[in-house]
Amino acid sequence: EAQVTQNPRYLITVTGKKLTVTCSQNMNHEYMSWYRQDPGLGLRQIYYSMNVEVTDKGDVPEGYKVSRKEKRNFPLILESPSPNQTSLYFCASSVSAFFTGELFFGEGSRLTVL
Amino acid sequence: GESVGLHLPTLSVQEGDNSIINCAYSNSASDYFIWYKQESGKGPQFIIDIRSNMDKRQGQRVTVLLNKTVKHLSLQIAATQPGDSAVYFCAENSGGGADGLTFGKGTHLIIQP
Repeated sequence: EAQVTQNPRYLITVTGKKLTVTCSQNMNHEYMSWYRQDPGLGLRQIYYSMNVEVTDKGDVPEGYKVSRKEKRNFPLILESPSPNQTSLYFCASSVSAFFTGELFFGEGSRLTVL
Repeated sequence: GESVGLHLPTLSVQEGDNSIINCAYSNSASDYFIWYKQESGKGPQFIIDIRSNMDKRQGQRVTVLLNKTVKHLSLQIAATQPGDSAVYFCAENSGGGADGLTFGKGTHLIIQP
């Protein structure tokens, strides 16, 4: 089954404790992206990647890091989480680096930073 | 930056009626628009898209209309069903670039029995 898989789905952590949210897609997609979703603000892009070893900042990259060492994986790293990073995070992928619009989203990872 | 917005945060319709969800966009350079559906506890799911050289596109039970003159986009759902209950987002891509989409804040569609 074609899918984007995120882990963990739920996480409660404390300020400053490094964490990684993994994302993996099995569709051989070139393009991958991370979004955060907050009430009243909608979906905002954090980082995106057009292909292996190519990553770029989105609209809200501060406090986040990503890597794209393999085509299928695009982990989101919070080196020192803060409470304002409490949010619902979505990983997404698309077949082409030249964006088609048909993003495939994961189920989401709800993060709470205390 | 430019914003994409929705006219109504919540829309309630009777099962079997048609639904119309509206979206206003402000970036005149946008050339590609998409509607997504997000069910509770799930990620957004692509519904239908339309390019700026078109004014209408139909899918199964859904139709997207684009009015570039007034920068307005709408999603029509025919004969709404309980499974249509969700938040619907419009999104725009202002040049086909890899920096992704600008999403609207969403309209919550509620289907009443």
